[in-house]
Amino acid sequence: ETGVTQSPTHLIKTRGQQVTLRCSSQSGHNTVSWYQQALGQGPQFIFQYYREEENGRGNFPPRFSGLQFPNYSSELNVNALELDDSALYLCASSLRLGEAGELFFGEGSRLTVL
Amino acid sequence: AQSVTQLGSHVSVSEGALVLLRCNYSSSVPPYLFWYVQYPNQGLQLLLKYTSAATLVKGINGFEAEFKKSETSFHLTKPSAHMSDAAEYFCAVTLTGTYKYIFGTGTRLKVLA
Repeated sequence: ETGVTQSPTHLIKTRGQQVTLRCSSQSGHNTVSWYQQALGQGPQFIFQYYREEENGRGNFPPRFSGLQFPNYSSELNVNALELDDSALYLCASSLRLGEAGELFFGEGSRLTVL
Repeated sequence: AQSVTQLGSHVSVSEGALVLLRCNYSSSVPPYLFWYVQYPNQGLQLLLKYTSAATLVKGINGFEAEFKKSETSFHLTKPSAHMSDAAEYFCAVTLTGTYKYIFGTGTRLKVLA
């Protein structure tokens, strides 16, 4: 069973640039969520995708957008990067929408914005 | 709205001593509660979860937590700390049928030799 994998693991961008982060969900999982974890903080919910559609969104501006593909993999796109976007971005997959089950996390993509 | 509060951003214990990490929740309906552990430069791994079955929940690596509705608490314990337990621990809450999990700010556990 393949776990959740994320790429890239580290990247550095400058203010105003755009970034795309990628996630392959665990085999058999159809729901993917993205979280932002700033230094010293807990993960904050960005949004969730189920069957290629956004299912819910946290308190993040529209420049944070995402996609889910038919194979349930996902992308997180952030436009017009700001310094405060520097964080660890975590992708989590889960088995079924709406069930309070376990989230399976990847190791994250650490984004630094200069 | 749900929320969790973790008391103590840093906790130090001696190897072999009791580990107690505190989590209090707020929810208008019965919640589902989780403890996750994060080792350096890694994602989060589930330790245990409460989903309205037994109030005392046993997890991996010898950890357990007790759901106390009267105290709105879900504290994490381990009878005897091991050096490998040094990590950051997050309490999280969600409701069935919702899409997001709310995490606490985390407690960094240090185990002293």
